[in-house]
Amino acid sequence: DIQMTQSPASLSASLGETVSIECLASEGISNDLAWYQQKSGKSPQLLIYAASRLQDGVPSRFSGSGSGTRYSLKISGMQPEDEADYFCQQSYKYPYTFGAGTKLELK
Amino acid sequence: EVQLQQSGAELVRPGTSVKLSCKVSGDTITAYYMHFVKQRPGQGLEWIGRIDPEDDSTKYAEKFKNKATLTADTSSNTAYLKLSSLTSEDTATYFCTTGDNNYFDYWGQGVMVTVSS
Repeated sequence: DIQMTQSPASLSASLGETVSIECLASEGISNDLAWYQQKSGKSPQLLIYAASRLQDGVPSRFSGSGSGTRYSLKISGMQPEDEADYFCQQSYKYPYTFGAGTKLELK
Repeated sequence: EVQLQQSGAELVRPGTSVKLSCKVSGDTITAYYMHFVKQRPGQGLEWIGRIDPEDDSTKYAEKFKNKATLTADTSSNTAYLKLSSLTSEDTATYFCTTGDNNYFDYWGQGVMVTVSS
């Protein structure tokens, strides 16, 4: 199975601060990577797919980048509504696997 | 717009089975692979498996191969997840999800399964 190592596990950011979350795959996944946001008690929501493509309706302060085994999610200007858990997920090979998640809080 | 409506919360006894449903509206279920994801309280997301309702072919994560069974009913546009030999380790929220190009655009609301005697 492809292991997805996500870091950091938790993060605290001030309003307007830029934050980054990383995911490292145990093997190359050819940009078949998505990022999801999950707010407390809610279902996950797709933010980024194919490593860097912004899902319709997602604010442009969210962006994704990376290639090979290393990928990152950037939030350019933390907003109160961005307080949530974030997960990466590879869909390159079965079984699909998720990162362990990053808890993002507003400082 | 595609919507996924899951069945209600379940309280079940250890050793028994439970079958959860996920009804698709806004499109035909055969247009998508239907996936199920597990989330234990306060934990991350685990992919259980997926079914292709077109031909009933399935893929499972190894740890769920003797635990989960995925089926689909095209006449009712519904996918099902059956969990067997339930233990406290199965207490979790289960999501159905689907989307285009193997990304999960659409999610059900989740169903909480509590295994307790």
